[in-house]
Amino acid sequence: GQNIDQPTEMTATEGAIVQINCTYQTSGFNGLFWYQQHAGEAPTFLSYNVLDGLEEKGRFSSFLSRSKGYSYLLLKELQMKDSASYLCAVEIVDSSYKLIFGSGTRLLVRP
Amino acid sequence: DAGVTQSPTHLIKTRGQQVTLRCSPKSGHDTVSWYQQALGQGPQFIFQYYEEEERQRGNFPDRFSGHQFPNYSSELNVNALLLGDSALYLCASSLVQGDNEQFFGPGTRLTVL
Repeated sequence: GQNIDQPTEMTATEGAIVQINCTYQTSGFNGLFWYQQHAGEAPTFLSYNVLDGLEEKGRFSSFLSRSKGYSYLLLKELQMKDSASYLCAVEIVDSSYKLIFGSGTRLLVRP
Repeated sequence: DAGVTQSPTHLIKTRGQQVTLRCSPKSGHDTVSWYQQALGQGPQFIFQYYEEEERQRGNFPDRFSGHQFPNYSSELNVNALLLGDSALYLCASSLVQGDNEQFFGPGTRLTVL
């Protein structure tokens, strides 16, 4: 079966750094997405990792280790607006591409 | 450049009824995927349409069906609604020859009473 695990909730302080982990056991793995979702809104794309290593994009970075089935999203210089759910999604390939999402991590940024 | 649009925004139905949700993909996209997101959970893949055919399907019963039109827009139909069908229904579009990034619409909030 397909299984994706990420922490349910995390709390951090404005200006700090937070790391959100995601582990997965899937077949047909092709890549891994991170999405941000504010309450009541659609998920918005943050990052996409296909190869092992770190991808940096401004205050956000994402890391992937395919051999370990592990990824993390790193958020630096946290801002209040970063309070949201962060979704780890594994891209699976069989007849086509589809996304399998984790349950999401709710991040609360406090002053 | 219009993004993904969905209609209606909100919908209230009663058990046993049928519902149709609509999605227009981002301009230039040809593939539409539908997801169900229960409160506090991640989106669950329902199915994906490309070239007016269902290409992939998740673990959803046959009560969930869909359609894609020649202009790439899509419909999700749910028959014999159950209370457990209450959720946010998300449509995502992508380009089959692209980088596989999926762009999500704002969703339709369905409440079944």
